[in-house]
Amino acid sequence: NAGVTQTPKFQVLKTGQSMTLQCAQDMNHNSMYWYRQDPGMGLRLIYYSASEGTTDKGEVPNGYNVSRLNKREFSLRLESAAPSQTSVYFCASSEAGGPASSTLHFGNGTRLTVT
Amino acid sequence: GENVEQHPSTLSVQEGDSAVIKCTYSDSASNYFPWYKQELGKGPQLIIDIRSNVGEKKDQRIAVTLNKTAKHFSLHITETQPEDSAVYFCAARDRGSTLGRLYFGRGTQLTVWP
Repeated sequence: NAGVTQTPKFQVLKTGQSMTLQCAQDMNHNSMYWYRQDPGMGLRLIYYSASEGTTDKGEVPNGYNVSRLNKREFSLRLESAAPSQTSVYFCASSEAGGPASSTLHFGNGTRLTVT
Repeated sequence: GENVEQHPSTLSVQEGDSAVIKCTYSDSASNYFPWYKQELGKGPQLIIDIRSNVGEKKDQRIAVTLNKTAKHFSLHITETQPEDSAVYFCAARDRGSTLGRLYFGRGTQLTVWP
């Protein structure tokens, strides 16, 4: 069971370039999330998708767009990368909302550097 | 939204000693408090959680305590081992969230010296 798979693992971009981070889960989870992790800042929510066909902004959505392609896949797009977007990006999924299903399952991250 | 403070940011202990990490939260409506462990190069993984109707929960060498009145919760690791070295995150989820959205602390880098 692969769980949550993120691609690529590493990426270097120049300022102004665009790219899409891919995420797929094989646990039949309804909800998916994108977080960024910066030193000393913990994990901050960028966007989330409660279910297929819906997306909503999290704490730090500026400069990003997302697409919930189907139940399995949730992508994060940087249209014009900036050095401030240098970070480690984590995709996560959960069964659904509610007290019985709050466990987040994380991928292993994408380390992005913008020069 | 919820604000979660976590201390200390770094913690070094000798193998066999205990480690304690503390978190406070701001929203009294929060009702679910998980702890995640992140090993180097990997994503965070849930290690233990506690709900607001419980004061303490144990799982082998790890335990979590919750004080709702003071709005703080703590992770206790006993008989630490080198493989406990990792970054630990606390989190809180408010009662109104139906999406599993969590608010994370800034993390604690735990190092266990052999």
